[in-house]
Amino acid sequence: NAGVTQTPKFQVLKTGQSMTLQCAQDMNHNSMYWYRQDPGMGLRLIYYSASEGTTDKGEVPNGYNVSRLNKREFSLRLESAAPSQTSVYFCASSEVTLPTSYGYTFGSGTRLTVV
Amino acid sequence: GEDVEQSLFLSVREGDSSVINCTYTDSSSTYLYWYKQEPGAGLQLLTYIFSNMDMKQDQRLTVLLNKKDKHLSLRIADTQTGDSAIYFCAESRDTGRRALTFGSGTRLQVQP
Repeated sequence: NAGVTQTPKFQVLKTGQSMTLQCAQDMNHNSMYWYRQDPGMGLRLIYYSASEGTTDKGEVPNGYNVSRLNKREFSLRLESAAPSQTSVYFCASSEVTLPTSYGYTFGSGTRLTVV
Repeated sequence: GEDVEQSLFLSVREGDSSVINCTYTDSSSTYLYWYKQEPGAGLQLLTYIFSNMDMKQDQRLTVLLNKKDKHLSLRIADTQTGDSAIYFCAESRDTGRRALTFGSGTRLQVQP
């Protein structure tokens, strides 16, 4: 089915470990986004990529890096995980650079726990 | 998101109407959206409204926008147990960062 695919769905890391969250979309969308969701705080933007070859910081970029590998894929890397990065991470894509009536298509999320 | 505010919780009885409210601060908001998140799932776009509209109706959903007060509401008629979820409002701006800003979400609980 067409959509946004995130891997892995669940991950437990030790403090200081690194990992990459993968995201791929097959809708030929130009823009892609990474958000984190914490209880009572809604979704906060980490990084986004308005188009292939560009990336920009969002509200909470510290401790993260991103790569827009090609039009389909946008990965999020934690270089040295900290307990404060325990969260649910969502990747999203949109057909064109916002604003647009289409909004986003979301992946199903990655639940990350850092111990 | 600090620029978009929602109440945290709403409880209604099955068959009643639900009204979820949202306030936003940026007057340059062009599109405003309502998303639904069911447990363990991503967010699903329910509906949207363009900033030059006052109202939009889509089956059981009615969106009202008061641009003067920067207030957005989502009314769900004949609420069903399947409507139990977290509802997020979000705004999209015409300037600056081209990404959605989300509220903290309203958890709707529908009692049978």
